[in-house]
Amino acid sequence: DAGVIQSPRHEVTEMGQEVTLRCKPISGHDYLFWYRQTMMRGLELLIYFNNNVPIDDSGMPEDRFSAKMPNASFSTLKIQPSEPRDSAVYFCASSLYGRGLAYEQFFGPGTRLTVL
Amino acid sequence: DQQVKQNSPSLSVQEGRISILNCDYTNSMFDYFLWYKKYPAEGPTFLISISSIKDKNEDGRFTVFLNKSAKHLSLHIVPSQPGDSAVYFCAASKGYGGATNKLIFGTGTLLAVQP
Repeated sequence: DAGVIQSPRHEVTEMGQEVTLRCKPISGHDYLFWYRQTMMRGLELLIYFNNNVPIDDSGMPEDRFSAKMPNASFSTLKIQPSEPRDSAVYFCASSLYGRGLAYEQFFGPGTRLTVL
Repeated sequence: DQQVKQNSPSLSVQEGRISILNCDYTNSMFDYFLWYKKYPAEGPTFLISISSIKDKNEDGRFTVFLNKSAKHLSLHIVPSQPGDSAVYFCAASKGYGGATNKLIFGTGTLLAVQP
């Protein structure tokens, strides 16, 4: 299995530009999570989906952030407009609900976003 | 507010010795706890977990201890190896066996194992 795939791995953009991060979860997994990692706050959950439906978006910082999951194999996280304080590493993770596996999330390699 | 806290940003130990990483939580509703390990330029990977009905779980060189009354858990690595050098994240969740998979992570501890 290829694991969780994220693209791009690195993104450098200028303030005010739109940024789209992409994620392909592990085939068969029914949960998908978007996280942001910063030194100050560690790993923060932004939003998660179950069977392509957003369940909890309370971690999305502002209306500038949006996430979609049009099908079971693809999700996007969009920032529009981007700001320098959005600079962080963004991780996508997926998991399969079931006893003994309910909380083991599989993470992608992350996208390092730099907003100048 | 940070519900899961790792107060030591970094830890350095000698190869062969014990590494002890600590984690505190504030929400008494948390009933499942996990440790994840992260190497540079990679995503975190699951290491070990424990449910609130236990106070210890062991997997090879890794043992997690849970003290519910103190709202504290720790990860012990014995013996420590240079390959263990990584960032370790503590995470907690509510509703083990229930309908939510939401994890709350700490800020991480960077472990450096010196040869």
